[in-house]
Amino acid sequence: GAVVSQHPSRVICKSGTSVKIECRSLDFQATTMFWYRQFPKQSLMLMATSNEGSKATYEQGVEKDKFLINHASLTLSTLTVTSAHPEDSSFYICSAPAGAGETQYFGPGTRLLVL
Amino acid sequence: QKEVEQDPGPLSVPEGAIVSLNCTYSNSAFQYFMWYRQYSRKGPELLMYTYSSGNKEDGRFTAQVDKSSKYISLFIRDSQPSDSATYLCAMAGGYQKVTFGTGTKLQVIP
Repeated sequence: GAVVSQHPSRVICKSGTSVKIECRSLDFQATTMFWYRQFPKQSLMLMATSNEGSKATYEQGVEKDKFLINHASLTLSTLTVTSAHPEDSSFYICSAPAGAGETQYFGPGTRLLVL
Repeated sequence: QKEVEQDPGPLSVPEGAIVSLNCTYSNSAFQYFMWYRQYSRKGPELLMYTYSSGNKEDGRFTAQVDKSSKYISLFIRDSQPSDSATYLCAMAGGYQKVTFGTGTKLQVIP
Protein backbone atom coordinates (compact mmCIF):
# COMPACT_ATOMS: atom_id res chain seq x y z
CA GLY A 1 0.00 0.00 0.00
CA ALA A 2 0.90 3.66 -0.19
CA VAL A 3 3.27 5.03 2.44
CA VAL A 4 2.79 8.22 4.39
CA SER A 5 5.40 9.45 6.84
CA GLN A 6 5.26 12.01 9.62
CA HIS A 7 7.95 13.91 11.43
CA PRO A 8 8.56 14.21 14.28
CA SER A 9 6.99 11.17 15.88
CA ARG A 10 7.00 12.80 19.28
CA VAL A 11 7.56 16.34 20.50
CA ILE A 12 7.56 17.96 23.91
CA CYS A 13 7.48 21.73 24.07
CA LYS A 14 6.88 24.57 26.46
CA SER A 15 3.59 26.44 26.51
CA GLY A 16 3.63 29.37 24.10
CA THR A 17 5.99 27.88 21.56
CA SER A 18 5.09 26.81 18.03
CA VAL A 19 5.48 23.29 16.72
CA LYS A 20 5.66 22.18 13.10
CA ILE A 21 4.61 18.69 12.02
CA GLU A 22 5.44 17.37 8.56
CA CYS A 23 3.41 14.88 6.55
CA ARG A 24 4.91 13.31 3.44
CA SER A 25 3.55 10.92 0.85
CA LEU A 26 6.57 8.79 -0.03
CA ASP A 27 5.60 6.87 -3.13
CA PHE A 28 2.68 8.81 -4.56
CA GLN A 29 1.53 12.36 -5.07
CA ALA A 30 -1.28 13.83 -3.01
CA THR A 31 -3.04 17.03 -3.99
CA THR A 32 -5.10 16.63 -0.85
CA MET A 33 -4.07 15.59 2.63
CA PHE A 34 -6.06 15.45 5.82
CA TRP A 35 -5.10 16.36 9.37
CA TYR A 36 -6.72 14.64 12.34
CA ARG A 37 -6.29 14.77 16.06
CA GLN A 38 -7.05 11.94 18.39
CA PHE A 39 -7.49 12.16 22.14
CA PRO A 40 -6.94 9.06 24.29
CA LYS A 41 -9.60 6.40 23.78
CA GLN A 42 -11.40 8.53 21.21
CA SER A 43 -11.75 8.32 17.47
CA LEU A 44 -10.11 10.45 14.86
CA MET A 45 -11.44 13.98 14.57
CA LEU A 46 -10.90 15.68 11.23
CA MET A 47 -9.31 19.08 11.73
CA ALA A 48 -8.71 20.29 8.22
CA THR A 49 -8.23 19.40 4.60
CA SER A 50 -4.92 20.49 3.12
CA ASN A 51 -5.01 21.40 -0.56
CA GLU A 52 -1.87 21.70 -2.65
CA GLY A 53 -1.52 25.21 -4.00
CA SER A 54 -4.53 26.65 -2.21
CA LYS A 55 -5.88 27.39 1.23
CA ALA A 56 -6.75 24.66 3.64
CA THR A 57 -10.35 23.95 4.54
CA TYR A 58 -10.98 23.82 8.28
CA GLU A 59 -13.68 21.91 10.10
CA GLN A 60 -16.10 23.76 12.30
CA GLY A 61 -14.58 24.72 15.61
CA VAL A 62 -10.97 24.47 14.48
CA GLU A 63 -9.07 27.73 14.70
CA LYS A 64 -7.30 28.38 11.42
CA ASP A 65 -4.95 30.92 12.99
CA LYS A 66 -3.86 28.44 15.60
CA PHE A 67 -3.41 25.45 13.33
CA LEU A 68 -1.60 26.71 10.26
CA ILE A 69 -1.51 24.37 7.30
CA ASN A 70 0.78 24.64 4.30
CA HIS A 71 0.65 22.24 1.39
CA ALA A 72 3.60 23.47 -0.64
CA SER A 73 4.16 20.46 -2.86
CA LEU A 74 2.42 17.31 -4.05
CA THR A 75 4.20 15.25 -1.41
CA LEU A 76 4.38 17.51 1.63
CA SER A 77 1.88 19.13 3.97
CA THR A 78 2.80 20.82 7.24
CA LEU A 79 0.73 21.57 10.31
CA THR A 80 2.01 24.26 12.64
CA VAL A 81 0.49 24.50 16.08
CA THR A 82 1.08 28.12 17.02
CA SER A 83 1.43 29.30 20.62
CA ALA A 84 0.77 25.79 21.86
CA HIS A 85 -0.96 25.28 25.19
CA PRO A 86 -1.37 22.16 27.33
CA GLU A 87 -4.86 21.57 25.94
CA ASP A 88 -3.29 21.16 22.49
CA SER A 89 -1.52 18.04 23.72
CA SER A 90 -2.82 15.24 21.54
CA PHE A 91 -1.98 12.70 18.87
CA TYR A 92 -1.93 14.36 15.45
CA ILE A 93 -2.28 12.15 12.40
CA CYS A 94 -2.21 13.01 8.73
CA SER A 95 -3.59 11.00 5.86
CA ALA A 96 -3.58 11.10 2.10
CA PRO A 97 -5.98 9.52 -0.37
CA ALA A 98 -4.55 7.10 -2.88
CA GLY A 99 -5.87 5.33 -5.92
CA ALA A 100 -9.35 6.57 -6.79
CA GLY A 101 -9.38 8.67 -3.64
CA GLU A 102 -11.86 6.81 -1.50
CA THR A 103 -9.28 5.15 0.74
CA GLN A 104 -6.99 6.98 3.09
CA TYR A 105 -3.45 6.04 4.01
CA PHE A 106 -2.34 7.31 7.36
CA GLY A 107 0.94 8.49 8.71
CA PRO A 108 2.27 7.00 11.96
CA GLY A 109 1.15 10.03 13.95
CA THR A 110 2.87 12.70 16.03
CA ARG A 111 2.40 12.79 19.76
CA LEU A 112 2.51 16.36 21.04
CA LEU A 113 2.93 17.15 24.70
CA VAL A 114 2.78 20.78 25.74
CA LEU A 115 4.09 21.49 29.22
CA GLN B 1 -27.63 10.79 15.86
CA LYS B 2 -24.07 10.12 14.74
CA GLU B 3 -23.53 9.33 11.09
CA VAL B 4 -21.59 6.21 12.06
CA GLU B 5 -22.20 4.15 15.19
CA GLN B 6 -19.69 1.65 16.49
CA ASP B 7 -19.64 -0.17 19.81
CA PRO B 8 -16.45 0.95 21.60
CA GLY B 9 -16.05 -2.33 23.46
CA PRO B 10 -13.71 -3.45 24.85
CA LEU B 11 -14.18 -6.89 23.38
CA SER B 12 -12.20 -9.76 24.86
CA VAL B 13 -12.01 -13.13 23.14
CA PRO B 14 -9.85 -16.25 23.55
CA GLU B 15 -7.21 -17.01 20.95
CA GLY B 16 -8.67 -18.88 17.99
CA ALA B 17 -12.15 -17.40 18.34
CA ILE B 18 -14.10 -15.78 15.53
CA VAL B 19 -14.46 -12.06 16.10
CA SER B 20 -17.35 -10.00 14.76
CA LEU B 21 -17.05 -6.22 14.65
CA ASN B 22 -19.93 -4.07 13.46
CA CYS B 23 -20.94 -0.57 12.47
CA THR B 24 -24.20 1.02 11.47
CA TYR B 25 -24.60 4.22 9.54
CA SER B 26 -27.34 6.64 8.61
CA ASN B 27 -26.01 8.46 5.55
CA SER B 28 -27.27 6.84 2.36
CA ALA B 29 -24.61 8.71 0.38
CA PHE B 30 -21.86 6.49 1.76
CA GLN B 31 -20.61 4.24 -1.02
CA TYR B 32 -17.17 3.16 0.14
CA PHE B 33 -16.53 1.21 3.29
CA MET B 34 -13.26 0.57 5.03
CA TRP B 35 -11.86 -1.08 8.11
CA TYR B 36 -8.73 0.18 9.78
CA ARG B 37 -6.64 -1.37 12.55
CA GLN B 38 -4.89 0.91 14.99
CA TYR B 39 -2.32 -0.29 17.47
CA SER B 40 -1.70 1.79 20.54
CA ARG B 41 0.12 5.05 19.74
CA LYS B 42 0.28 4.27 16.03
CA GLY B 43 -1.51 5.58 12.97
CA PRO B 44 -4.44 3.57 11.55
CA GLU B 45 -3.60 0.85 9.03
CA LEU B 46 -6.00 0.07 6.18
CA LEU B 47 -7.24 -3.53 6.44
CA MET B 48 -10.14 -3.86 4.05
CA TYR B 49 -11.86 -1.70 1.49
CA THR B 50 -15.08 -2.39 -0.38
CA TYR B 51 -17.69 -0.45 -2.28
CA SER B 52 -20.45 -2.94 -2.86
CA SER B 53 -22.84 -4.98 -0.79
CA GLY B 54 -21.73 -8.49 -0.08
CA ASN B 55 -18.61 -10.12 1.29
CA LYS B 56 -14.95 -9.53 0.62
CA GLU B 57 -12.36 -11.90 2.00
CA ASP B 58 -8.65 -11.39 2.60
CA GLY B 59 -6.90 -14.12 4.53
CA ARG B 60 -8.44 -14.36 7.98
CA PHE B 61 -10.47 -11.19 7.46
CA THR B 62 -13.91 -10.90 5.85
CA ALA B 63 -15.66 -7.59 5.34
CA GLN B 64 -19.41 -7.63 4.89
CA VAL B 65 -21.59 -4.77 3.69
CA ASP B 66 -25.38 -4.62 3.72
CA LYS B 67 -26.39 -1.32 2.18
CA SER B 68 -30.10 -2.00 2.54
CA SER B 69 -29.70 -2.25 6.31
CA LYS B 70 -26.86 0.29 6.48
CA TYR B 71 -24.76 -2.21 8.36
CA ILE B 72 -21.18 -3.33 7.90
CA SER B 73 -19.17 -6.02 9.64
CA LEU B 74 -15.62 -7.27 9.90
CA PHE B 75 -15.03 -10.91 10.79
CA ILE B 76 -11.68 -12.18 12.01
CA ARG B 77 -11.19 -15.94 11.92
CA ASP B 78 -8.71 -17.81 14.11
CA SER B 79 -7.99 -14.66 16.08
CA GLN B 80 -4.44 -14.17 17.33
CA PRO B 81 -3.02 -12.11 20.20
CA SER B 82 -1.39 -9.93 17.54
CA ASP B 83 -4.89 -8.95 16.40
CA SER B 84 -5.35 -7.07 19.68
CA ALA B 85 -5.89 -3.47 18.61
CA THR B 86 -8.61 -0.91 18.03
CA TYR B 87 -10.62 -1.46 14.86
CA LEU B 88 -12.15 1.54 13.16
CA CYS B 89 -14.83 1.39 10.54
CA ALA B 90 -14.80 4.22 8.02
CA MET B 91 -17.06 5.35 5.21
CA ALA B 92 -16.94 7.80 2.34
CA GLY B 93 -19.38 9.18 -0.12
CA GLY B 94 -16.83 9.48 -2.89
CA TYR B 95 -15.54 12.97 -2.11
CA GLN B 96 -12.43 11.86 -0.22
CA LYS B 97 -13.78 13.03 3.14
CA VAL B 98 -13.99 9.96 5.33
CA THR B 99 -16.21 9.53 8.37
CA PHE B 100 -14.91 7.23 11.08
CA GLY B 101 -16.58 5.19 13.76
CA THR B 102 -15.34 5.59 17.31
CA GLY B 103 -13.43 2.30 17.13
CA THR B 104 -13.80 -1.02 18.92
CA LYS B 105 -10.98 -2.13 21.18
CA LEU B 106 -10.27 -5.84 20.75
CA GLN B 107 -8.20 -7.99 23.06
CA VAL B 108 -7.34 -11.55 22.08
CA ILE B 109 -6.28 -13.54 25.11
CA PRO B 110 -3.68 -16.30 24.62
